[in-house]
Amino acid sequence: ETGVTQTPRHLVMGMTNKKSLKCEQHLGHNAMYWYKQSAKKPLELMFVYSLEERVENNSVPSRFSPECPNSSHLFLHLHTLQPEDSALYLCASSPTKGAYYGYTFGSGTRLTVV
Amino acid sequence: TQLLEQSPQFLSIQEGENLTVYCNSSSVFSSLQWYRQEPGEGPVLLVTVVTGGEVKKLKRLTFQFGDARKDSSLHITAAQPGDTGLYLCAGPSNDYKLSFGAGTTVTVRA
Repeated sequence: ETGVTQTPRHLVMGMTNKKSLKCEQHLGHNAMYWYKQSAKKPLELMFVYSLEERVENNSVPSRFSPECPNSSHLFLHLHTLQPEDSALYLCASSPTKGAYYGYTFGSGTRLTVV
Repeated sequence: TQLLEQSPQFLSIQEGENLTVYCNSSSVFSSLQWYRQEPGEGPVLLVTVVTGGEVKKLKRLTFQFGDARKDSSLHITAAQPGDTGLYLCAGPSNDYKLSFGAGTTVTVRA
């Protein structure tokens, strides 16, 4: 596979569940990102990793926990979520820790919290 | 935080018509990017504009960066149903972070 792959594509979870979102990139990029996309709102940056090191945690609630075991994989661990956390969660990568080259996005995980 | 405002929010046109969407900010950007997002997919990078006054063309799409590097526009000539999607502009707000506008939803009717 090429590009950025996200799994699962759809996820429905209860507020007491624990689940994880997975992102994998085969582009040789060194930076990876998690974004949240809610209806009628701009994409919100959640986390940035560069060479597996977290460089920004954009004031995200602790019920979201990222993990970057290597430069090709990124996870978002979810627990005790709220209904307002329902959104499209997008993973992206870029060649370096820089916005100039643009991002390559995955197709996203559509999360519904019930 | 550097804000990017996009207009209009929604645009619905007939196939063959032209359209323009706008991206404006009160801040100066070193570059601006345009993405298109189709339903059920992630955004896909269309173009990056870097120089004030720059014009770039991608087939029927024309992108312009304002002279003061505070605004940009996307013009589509003879729109086709395949142009339907959410168009997002984005600019770097620091050396690694991209800030996005809320987007313009374009619908081209056959």
